[in-house]
Amino acid sequence: KAGVTQTPRYLIKTRGQQVTLSCSPISGHRSVSWYQQTPGQGLQFLFEYFSETQRNKGNFPGRFSGRQFSNSRSEMNVSTLELGDSALYLCASSLGGGSGGVPPQYFGPGTRLLVL
Amino acid sequence: DAKTTQPPSMDCAEGRAANLPCNHSTISGNEYVYWYRQIHSQGPQYIIHGLKNNETNEMASLIITEDRKSSTLILPHATLRDTAVYYCIVRLIKAAGNKLTFGGGTRVLVKP
Repeated sequence: KAGVTQTPRYLIKTRGQQVTLSCSPISGHRSVSWYQQTPGQGLQFLFEYFSETQRNKGNFPGRFSGRQFSNSRSEMNVSTLELGDSALYLCASSLGGGSGGVPPQYFGPGTRLLVL
Repeated sequence: DAKTTQPPSMDCAEGRAANLPCNHSTISGNEYVYWYRQIHSQGPQYIIHGLKNNETNEMASLIITEDRKSSTLILPHATLRDTAVYYCIVRLIKAAGNKLTFGGGTRVLVKP
């Protein structure tokens, strides 16, 4: 099975711009989660989508948003970019979780965003 | 989710077993212990998880103490490619969703 794929892998933007990142989960996985990783804050949870609905949300401002499509692919958008948004953005997919237990998440390689 | 405590770093010799400790003294009966690792500049990789019994897979073994307040991840024969940051995470069995809370992890350096 192919793993989680993320596009693009690298991105350079300037302050005030917006950016859209894409994630394709492992086939059959319905849950997609997004994380931000910075040297100062480490790995932080952004949000999770399951069956096209946001199921969990981390502590990030409303400039960070996401969506999931019927084929489980997901996108996240960051509007009005700030210098502090420079980070590695990671996407993870899993079967779903809930009443059946909590299956492991499988991460993609990430998109490295640099805001100038 | 219960908080975990891990040593910030440790070294181990190539070919030897690496034993990575994790303290989760506030763990509840319905929480699993998960281990992930992150090799430099890559996405985290799932290693193993367990509830109360010891678990083994092709990558590692997980030993959970009887009181479940701590666990040890064992890499049986460490290689240079095992150099990574290892994260111990505790998750509710019936969690509403898939949010992982990462701590600082243990930076493991495997030396030749």
